[in-house]
Amino acid sequence: QKEVEQNSGPLSVPEGAIASLNCTYSDRGSQSFFWYRQYSGKSPELIMFIYSNGDKEDGRFTAQLNKASQYVSLLIRDSQPSDSATYLCAVNVGGAGNKLTFGGGTRVLVKP
Amino acid sequence: DADVTQTPRNRITKTGKRIMLECSQTKGHDRMYWYRQDPGLGLQLIYYSFDVKDINKGEISDGYSVSRQAQAKFSLSLESAIPNQTALYFCATSDPGQGETQYFGPGTRLLVL
Repeated sequence: QKEVEQNSGPLSVPEGAIASLNCTYSDRGSQSFFWYRQYSGKSPELIMFIYSNGDKEDGRFTAQLNKASQYVSLLIRDSQPSDSATYLCAVNVGGAGNKLTFGGGTRVLVKP
Repeated sequence: DADVTQTPRNRITKTGKRIMLECSQTKGHDRMYWYRQDPGLGLQLIYYSFDVKDINKGEISDGYSVSRQAQAKFSLSLESAIPNQTALYFCATSDPGQGETQYFGPGTRLLVL
């Protein structure tokens, strides 16, 4: 079982709709959770991070964390064609190996 | 100026050649990382360094070596390049004050013939 799992997609979303992306993780000790956006051939860019259960909003993006169920999700409201990219979920387990583990990414296509 | 830079941005080499990819950062972070990414796949950790004297293997270190010359510089070497090392390579730094948020360089596209 992979430590961080994402549906590879593509997730096709009409312009203006809400895109919903999910990520599950295996280690209950995970402490911090990140969403990155990556355009084809470019480097990942941080969208947001979340530490606590619940929702965190930043502009059109909302991250939702549920530690009991071991998932983190990302909502993109009012999706735009420029949101078409691959979205990477990353988890920091913490402890001595304090580094991020990345999921395989979900490709999102926003259609005009 | 970019906070994390990588050189070269593109490289074509032949099987068996030794090559070095370089990474420099001005973010002042102690922690640095090297990843590879194959088309359509996620990031795989090659090596990471938590400070100048600390080097650790990642998931896929075989065939690679690293050197941490200074806090700001972390180099990745392919001792004898092979075609399946053709990939996109990213350097990153992290900020422990932000839960290890990672900041990526622009990447090096490597083709091994």
